[in-house]
Amino acid sequence: SAVISQKPSRDICQRGTSLTIQCQVDSQVTMMFWYRQQPGQSLTLIATANQGSEATYESGFVIDKFPISRPNLTFSTLTVSNMSPEDSSIYLCSSPINPYNEQFFGPGTRLTVL
Amino acid sequence: AQSVAQPEDQVNVAEGNPLTVKCTYSVSGNPYLFWYVQYPNRGLQFLLKYITGDNLVKGSYGFEAEFNKSQTSFHLKKPSALVSDSALYFCAVRDSSASKIIFGSGTRLSIRP
Repeated sequence: SAVISQKPSRDICQRGTSLTIQCQVDSQVTMMFWYRQQPGQSLTLIATANQGSEATYESGFVIDKFPISRPNLTFSTLTVSNMSPEDSSIYLCSSPINPYNEQFFGPGTRLTVL
Repeated sequence: AQSVAQPEDQVNVAEGNPLTVKCTYSVSGNPYLFWYVQYPNRGLQFLLKYITGDNLVKGSYGFEAEFNKSQTSFHLKKPSALVSDSALYFCAVRDSSASKIIFGSGTRLSIRP
Protein backbone atom coordinates (compact mmCIF):
# COMPACT_ATOMS: atom_id res chain seq x y z
CA SER A 1 0.00 0.00 0.00
CA ALA A 2 0.98 3.64 -0.15
CA VAL A 3 0.72 6.50 2.28
CA ILE A 4 -0.56 9.69 0.69
CA SER A 5 -0.74 12.93 2.60
CA GLN A 6 -2.38 16.21 1.68
CA LYS A 7 -2.04 19.75 2.91
CA PRO A 8 -4.06 21.61 3.99
CA SER A 9 -6.70 19.30 5.41
CA ARG A 10 -9.26 22.07 5.19
CA ASP A 11 -9.50 25.75 4.40
CA ILE A 12 -12.04 28.52 4.20
CA CYS A 13 -11.30 30.98 1.43
CA GLN A 14 -12.71 34.17 0.02
CA ARG A 15 -14.24 34.42 -3.43
CA GLY A 16 -11.70 35.39 -6.09
CA THR A 17 -8.65 34.02 -4.30
CA SER A 18 -6.62 30.90 -5.11
CA LEU A 19 -5.62 27.91 -3.02
CA THR A 20 -2.83 25.44 -3.69
CA ILE A 21 -3.25 21.90 -2.37
CA GLN A 22 -0.19 19.73 -1.90
CA CYS A 23 -0.03 15.96 -2.26
CA GLN A 24 2.88 13.82 -1.12
CA VAL A 25 3.30 10.07 -1.75
CA ASP A 26 5.70 7.97 0.30
CA SER A 27 7.05 6.18 -2.79
CA GLN A 28 7.82 7.09 -6.37
CA VAL A 29 4.79 6.80 -8.64
CA THR A 30 4.28 7.41 -12.32
CA MET A 31 0.71 8.69 -12.24
CA MET A 32 -1.11 10.89 -9.79
CA PHE A 33 -4.76 11.81 -10.06
CA TRP A 34 -6.80 14.68 -8.69
CA TYR A 35 -10.49 14.21 -7.87
CA ARG A 36 -13.29 16.39 -6.59
CA GLN A 37 -16.02 15.08 -4.31
CA GLN A 38 -19.06 16.82 -2.94
CA PRO A 39 -19.80 15.44 0.55
CA GLY A 40 -21.67 12.16 0.25
CA GLN A 41 -21.39 12.19 -3.53
CA SER A 42 -19.26 10.35 -6.04
CA LEU A 43 -15.77 11.27 -7.16
CA THR A 44 -15.17 13.27 -10.32
CA LEU A 45 -11.75 13.07 -11.94
CA ILE A 46 -10.25 16.50 -12.57
CA ALA A 47 -6.96 15.58 -14.19
CA THR A 48 -4.10 13.12 -14.44
CA ALA A 49 -0.66 14.42 -13.51
CA ASN A 50 2.33 12.65 -15.04
CA GLN A 51 5.85 13.61 -14.11
CA GLY A 52 7.67 15.30 -16.96
CA SER A 53 4.62 16.15 -19.02
CA GLU A 54 1.60 18.41 -18.87
CA ALA A 55 -1.43 17.26 -16.96
CA THR A 56 -4.32 15.73 -18.85
CA TYR A 57 -7.66 17.32 -17.96
CA GLU A 58 -11.07 15.75 -18.07
CA SER A 59 -14.02 17.29 -19.84
CA GLY A 60 -15.27 20.32 -17.96
CA PHE A 61 -11.94 21.10 -16.29
CA VAL A 62 -9.32 23.49 -17.70
CA ILE A 63 -5.74 24.28 -16.86
CA ASP A 64 -6.40 27.96 -16.23
CA LYS A 65 -8.83 27.11 -13.45
CA PHE A 66 -6.99 24.08 -12.03
CA PRO A 67 -3.27 24.37 -12.78
CA ILE A 68 -1.30 21.31 -11.70
CA SER A 69 2.38 20.85 -11.02
CA ARG A 70 4.27 17.56 -10.87
CA PRO A 71 7.91 18.42 -10.13
CA ASN A 72 8.99 14.87 -9.19
CA LEU A 73 7.74 11.32 -8.74
CA THR A 74 6.45 11.79 -5.18
CA PHE A 75 4.79 15.20 -5.20
CA SER A 76 2.05 17.16 -6.95
CA THR A 77 0.05 20.32 -6.39
CA LEU A 78 -3.40 21.36 -7.53
CA THR A 79 -4.34 25.03 -7.50
CA VAL A 80 -7.96 26.11 -7.45
CA SER A 81 -7.87 29.55 -9.07
CA ASN A 82 -10.22 32.51 -8.85
CA MET A 83 -12.47 30.59 -6.52
CA SER A 84 -16.24 30.86 -6.31
CA PRO A 85 -18.66 29.19 -3.87
CA GLU A 86 -19.27 26.50 -6.52
CA ASP A 87 -15.70 25.33 -5.96
CA SER A 88 -16.54 24.33 -2.39
CA SER A 89 -15.82 20.63 -2.29
CA ILE A 90 -13.42 17.96 -1.09
CA TYR A 91 -10.33 17.60 -3.26
CA LEU A 92 -8.50 14.27 -3.21
CA CYS A 93 -5.27 13.14 -4.72
CA SER A 94 -4.67 9.54 -5.59
CA SER A 95 -2.13 7.20 -7.08
CA PRO A 96 -1.69 3.55 -7.95
CA ILE A 97 1.60 2.11 -6.81
CA ASN A 98 1.68 -0.05 -9.90
CA PRO A 99 -0.06 0.94 -13.10
CA TYR A 100 -3.48 -0.69 -13.49
CA ASN A 101 -3.65 -1.69 -9.84
CA GLU A 102 -5.81 -0.17 -7.13
CA GLN A 103 -5.43 3.50 -6.36
CA PHE A 104 -4.68 4.80 -2.92
CA PHE A 105 -6.15 8.06 -1.77
CA GLY A 106 -5.06 10.94 0.36
CA PRO A 107 -7.31 12.08 3.22
CA GLY A 108 -8.69 14.96 1.17
CA THR A 109 -8.77 18.74 1.45
CA ARG A 110 -12.12 20.21 2.43
CA LEU A 111 -12.47 23.59 0.76
CA THR A 112 -15.16 26.11 1.60
CA VAL A 113 -15.42 29.27 -0.50
CA LEU A 114 -17.37 32.17 0.94
CA ALA B 1 -15.69 4.38 -22.99
CA GLN B 2 -15.97 2.92 -19.54
CA SER B 3 -18.77 3.37 -17.05
CA VAL B 4 -20.03 1.90 -13.80
CA ALA B 5 -23.50 1.94 -12.24
CA GLN B 6 -24.65 1.46 -8.68
CA PRO B 7 -28.42 1.22 -8.96
CA GLU B 8 -29.16 1.63 -5.25
CA ASP B 9 -28.59 4.92 -3.47
CA GLN B 10 -29.17 3.25 -0.11
CA VAL B 11 -29.22 -0.28 1.26
CA ASN B 12 -30.65 -1.04 4.69
CA VAL B 13 -29.84 -4.33 6.43
CA ALA B 14 -30.32 -5.67 9.94
CA GLU B 15 -27.19 -6.59 11.84
CA GLY B 16 -26.29 -10.24 11.38
CA ASN B 17 -28.05 -10.55 8.04
CA PRO B 18 -26.24 -10.94 4.73
CA LEU B 19 -25.73 -7.83 2.65
CA THR B 20 -25.31 -7.16 -1.06
CA VAL B 21 -24.35 -3.90 -2.72
CA LYS B 22 -24.87 -4.01 -6.47
CA CYS B 23 -22.54 -2.82 -9.22
CA THR B 24 -22.61 -3.21 -13.00
CA TYR B 25 -20.01 -1.97 -15.43
CA SER B 26 -19.29 -1.32 -19.09
CA VAL B 27 -15.84 -1.38 -20.68
CA SER B 28 -14.53 -2.02 -24.15
CA GLY B 29 -11.63 -4.21 -23.02
CA ASN B 30 -11.01 -6.40 -20.01
CA PRO B 31 -12.28 -4.88 -16.77
CA TYR B 32 -10.32 -4.16 -13.66
CA LEU B 33 -12.90 -3.79 -10.88
CA PHE B 34 -12.59 -2.29 -7.41
CA TRP B 35 -14.61 -1.60 -4.29
CA TYR B 36 -13.86 1.25 -1.92
CA VAL B 37 -15.44 2.29 1.38
CA GLN B 38 -15.68 5.77 2.83
CA TYR B 39 -16.53 6.36 6.46
CA PRO B 40 -17.88 9.77 7.54
CA ASN B 41 -15.26 12.52 7.26
CA ARG B 42 -12.66 10.02 6.14
CA GLY B 43 -10.81 9.30 2.92
CA LEU B 44 -11.46 6.36 0.63
CA GLN B 45 -10.23 2.96 1.72
CA PHE B 46 -9.56 0.16 -0.73
CA LEU B 47 -11.59 -3.02 0.00
CA LEU B 48 -10.91 -5.47 -2.81
CA LYS B 49 -10.24 -5.86 -6.51
CA TYR B 50 -10.71 -8.16 -9.45
CA ILE B 51 -8.00 -8.17 -12.07
CA THR B 52 -7.97 -11.76 -13.31
CA GLY B 53 -8.37 -15.28 -11.97
CA ASP B 54 -11.05 -16.52 -9.59
CA ASN B 55 -14.38 -14.82 -9.99
CA LEU B 56 -14.90 -14.65 -6.22
CA VAL B 57 -12.48 -12.26 -4.56
CA LYS B 58 -12.11 -11.69 -0.85
CA GLY B 59 -11.14 -8.42 0.73
CA SER B 60 -10.88 -6.50 3.94
CA TYR B 61 -13.34 -6.64 6.86
CA GLY B 62 -14.93 -9.91 5.66
CA PHE B 63 -16.21 -8.47 2.38
CA GLU B 64 -16.16 -10.38 -0.87
CA ALA B 65 -17.30 -9.70 -4.42
CA GLU B 66 -18.19 -11.89 -7.35
CA PHE B 67 -17.19 -11.03 -10.89
CA ASN B 68 -19.85 -12.10 -13.39
CA LYS B 69 -18.72 -11.48 -16.95
CA SER B 70 -21.99 -12.45 -18.64
CA GLN B 71 -23.97 -10.06 -16.45
CA THR B 72 -21.18 -7.46 -16.34
CA SER B 73 -21.61 -7.27 -12.59
CA PHE B 74 -19.35 -7.07 -9.55
CA HIS B 75 -21.64 -7.14 -6.52
CA LEU B 76 -20.19 -6.64 -3.05
CA LYS B 77 -21.30 -9.10 -0.38
CA LYS B 78 -20.84 -9.98 3.26
CA PRO B 79 -22.41 -12.99 4.99
CA SER B 80 -23.17 -11.23 8.28
CA ALA B 81 -23.44 -7.45 8.52
CA LEU B 82 -22.07 -5.40 11.40
CA VAL B 83 -23.27 -1.98 12.53
CA SER B 84 -19.72 -0.77 11.93
CA ASP B 85 -20.12 -1.61 8.21
CA SER B 86 -22.39 1.42 7.86
CA ALA B 87 -20.63 3.69 5.36
CA LEU B 88 -20.61 4.88 1.76
CA TYR B 89 -19.45 2.26 -0.74
CA PHE B 90 -18.08 2.95 -4.20
CA CYS B 91 -17.62 0.54 -7.06
CA ALA B 92 -14.99 1.51 -9.62
CA VAL B 93 -13.79 0.20 -12.97
CA ARG B 94 -10.78 0.60 -15.19
CA ASP B 95 -10.55 -0.62 -18.73
CA SER B 96 -7.42 -2.76 -19.17
CA SER B 97 -6.18 -0.30 -21.80
CA ALA B 98 -6.81 2.82 -19.72
CA SER B 99 -4.97 4.44 -16.85
CA LYS B 100 -7.82 6.06 -14.94
CA ILE B 101 -10.49 4.64 -12.68
CA ILE B 102 -14.14 5.64 -13.05
CA PHE B 103 -16.27 5.62 -9.92
CA GLY B 104 -19.91 4.74 -9.47
CA SER B 105 -22.34 7.08 -7.78
CA GLY B 106 -22.00 5.34 -4.45
CA THR B 107 -24.33 3.34 -2.22
CA ARG B 108 -24.96 4.27 1.37
CA LEU B 109 -25.09 1.13 3.50
CA SER B 110 -26.98 1.37 6.77
CA ILE B 111 -26.85 -1.51 9.24
CA ARG B 112 -29.43 -1.33 12.02
CA PRO B 113 -28.81 -3.06 15.37
